[in-house]
Amino acid sequence: RKEVEQDPGPFNVPEGATVAFNCTYSNSASQSFFWYRQDCRKEPKLLMSVYSSGNEDGRFTAQLNRASQYISLLIRDSKLSDSATYLCVVNNYNQGGKLIFGQGTELSVKP
Amino acid sequence: EAGVTQSPTHLIKTRGQQVTLRCSPISGHTSVYWYQQALGLGLQFLLWYDEGEERNRGNFPPRFSGRQFPNYSSELNVNALELEDSALYLCASKDRRTEKLFFGSGTQLSVL
Repeated sequence: RKEVEQDPGPFNVPEGATVAFNCTYSNSASQSFFWYRQDCRKEPKLLMSVYSSGNEDGRFTAQLNRASQYISLLIRDSKLSDSATYLCVVNNYNQGGKLIFGQGTELSVKP
Repeated sequence: EAGVTQSPTHLIKTRGQQVTLRCSPISGHTSVYWYQQALGLGLQFLLWYDEGEERNRGNFPPRFSGRQFPNYSSELNVNALELEDSALYLCASKDRRTEKLFFGSGTQLSVL
C-alpha cells in the first residue's frame, strides 16, 4: 500500500461546480498535512495547511479525519484558473520528518 | 526576499555521465528536500538535509547522493546516468516553524 494515495483523476468539471478531492495516508503517526497545487511542469506551490479542526481559505476548505486517516480538499465555485494538479502531502515524524507527496489529482475546469 | 533557486534550469546528458544539481534555500531555512518527478508521475522523495546532515533518503540507488554546505545550500549528484533518470528534479526548503515547503523551479534533466 502506498504511503499516501489520492483519488485518481482527472476530474473534469464546469465552471462554478464544487469539487472534492480525497487523500488517504497509511501511517497513523503522521502529524502534519498540506495541500499543494502544481501547474503543468512547474514547481508545486502551497495551497493550504490542513488543521485538525478543519480550515477554510476563501473557496477552499480542507479537512482532516485522523480516525479514518484521510484528508480532503473542497473547492467551491470552481474557476478556470483552478485547473491544475492537486497534491496532498503528509509529514511523518516517525520516519524522520520525510514529507511524502501523493501522486496528485488533476482538475480541469471547463467553461 | 529571494525564493529557492536551482541551477541549471535544463541539462542534457548521455548515459553513463555524471551530473550535479544545485539548490539555494530561502534565507533562514536550514532544511532542504530533493524530489524527482518523472513525466506524468508524482514527486518521489529523494533526500532530506538539515543543518548539514543527511536526515533521510528515499528508495533510490546509491548513485544518487548529495550534500549540504555550511550556508545550507545543497547539491544533488547523480552518477552513471540512466535513461530513466530523465525527470524534473525539484528542491525545496522548509520553514522549520510551519513545516511548509517552498520549491525552486526545478532542473529538467534529459538523459539521451
